[in-house]
Amino acid sequence: QVQLVQSGAEVKNPGSSVKVSCKASGGTINSYSIIWVRQAPGQGLEWMGGIIPVFRSTNYAQKFQGRVTIHTDESTTTAYMDLTSLKSEDTAIYYCARAVVVTGVPYAFNVWGQGTMITVSS
Amino acid sequence: DIQMTQSPSSLSVAVGDRVIITCRASQSINNFLNWYQQKPGKAPKLLISGTSNLESGVPSRFSGSGSATAFTLTISSLQPEDLATYYCQQSSSTSVTFGQGTKLEMK
Repeated sequence: QVQLVQSGAEVKNPGSSVKVSCKASGGTINSYSIIWVRQAPGQGLEWMGGIIPVFRSTNYAQKFQGRVTIHTDESTTTAYMDLTSLKSEDTAIYYCARAVVVTGVPYAFNVWGQGTMITVSS
Repeated sequence: DIQMTQSPSSLSVAVGDRVIITCRASQSINNFLNWYQQKPGKAPKLLISGTSNLESGVPSRFSGSGSATAFTLTISSLQPEDLATYYCQQSSSTSVTFGQGTKLEMK
């Protein structure tokens, strides 16, 4: 049974960058859709972007365009999310999730990472 | 982008209640509609995929229905362990969107 294991919590200064990793333990990521979703304290789920490595395709929510980069390393079955120019409003739990791809789109996200808390504070 | 609107945003419930949560899409998403359950401090859990397909291990009191732009999640007889926040999510395109969530609270 595949698990997605994320990197640990971090505290970052405003204006800095963060890289969160998501390793597929016991499985692959290349033929799946991987998305990143964040959840600010007390708020709902917000899709940031996703990647389908086998199609070499990424897409990002307009809100994060230019600030977020999602990429994968199939040799280590790890996905990464880089977020730059951090602001206090980026304080949130960041989740990765995996879905089977059906007719070119992610079907349903049935495997989730445990979440990574990113705190942006001076 | 496709917008997903859930209602209600919160609901006061009692054990044994029949609970219905509604999700509307801003355009047709065919049946590419999924439902997730999230408990405090936990990652979301997939309950239902493709509008009505119950995931393995999910109790049969959960069911989903709908098509095109209107969808519902029904809990036929609420149990204490069902207190959580529920999210719908569309995957008709690679730009995924979630509803804003429906929080179930005990009366």
